[in-house]
Amino acid sequence: DQQVKQNSPSLSVQEGRISILNCDYTNSMFDYFLWYKKYPAEGPTFLISISSIKDKNEDGRFTVFLNKSAKHLSLHIVPSQPGDSAVYFCAASGINNNDMRFGAGTRLTVKP
Amino acid sequence: DTGVSQNPRHKITKRGQNVTFRCDPISEHNRLYWYRQTLGQGPEFLTYFQNEAQLEKSRLLSDRFSAERPKGSFSTLEIQRTEQGDSAMYLCASSTGTGALGYTFGSGTRLTVV
Repeated sequence: DQQVKQNSPSLSVQEGRISILNCDYTNSMFDYFLWYKKYPAEGPTFLISISSIKDKNEDGRFTVFLNKSAKHLSLHIVPSQPGDSAVYFCAASGINNNDMRFGAGTRLTVKP
Repeated sequence: DTGVSQNPRHKITKRGQNVTFRCDPISEHNRLYWYRQTLGQGPEFLTYFQNEAQLEKSRLLSDRFSAERPKGSFSTLEIQRTEQGDSAMYLCASSTGTGALGYTFGSGTRLTVV
């Protein structure tokens, strides 16, 4: 059962522009939503999270938006930099945080 | 502490052989997770430990798979009678249990069954 979906396998943007990565989920019981970044030959690295009781969380160039009615979240990166090129995974977990579910990932390429 | 450590990084084995992977979590983290990732997919949950207790197992974890975490420190994942379908990246992660902080992942063990 795929409870977290990332429908865009890839995204290409120009350096300095905004990158928007999207994620949909089906389980309304999730309490936390997270984004991870993954470089080749490394494990995923935690980037930013948002609680289900909030609709926005910002950390530097990264902002996550949550739309609970649409069961949709997005990650905005502004401005995008070539070093942001990686695979980005959306994830969600319940309040016990013991069974995190991941989307299939979106490969972001930021062109100089 | 340099993060979550996994060994070996790569393992090639013949079908039918047994393999064992090791994970050393961040020492302050009481929770440890095993995930499997295949090409083009996100990590899939396998099992979870809180200290030395294995509290949850996915249906993906067939009876050929066994995980242990003796003394609540490092963990091992063993696959018996490997099959070609077991070829994947096996990821270990640890956490304090705070949902907002996410998991810290290791670099994974890539298993190839030939």
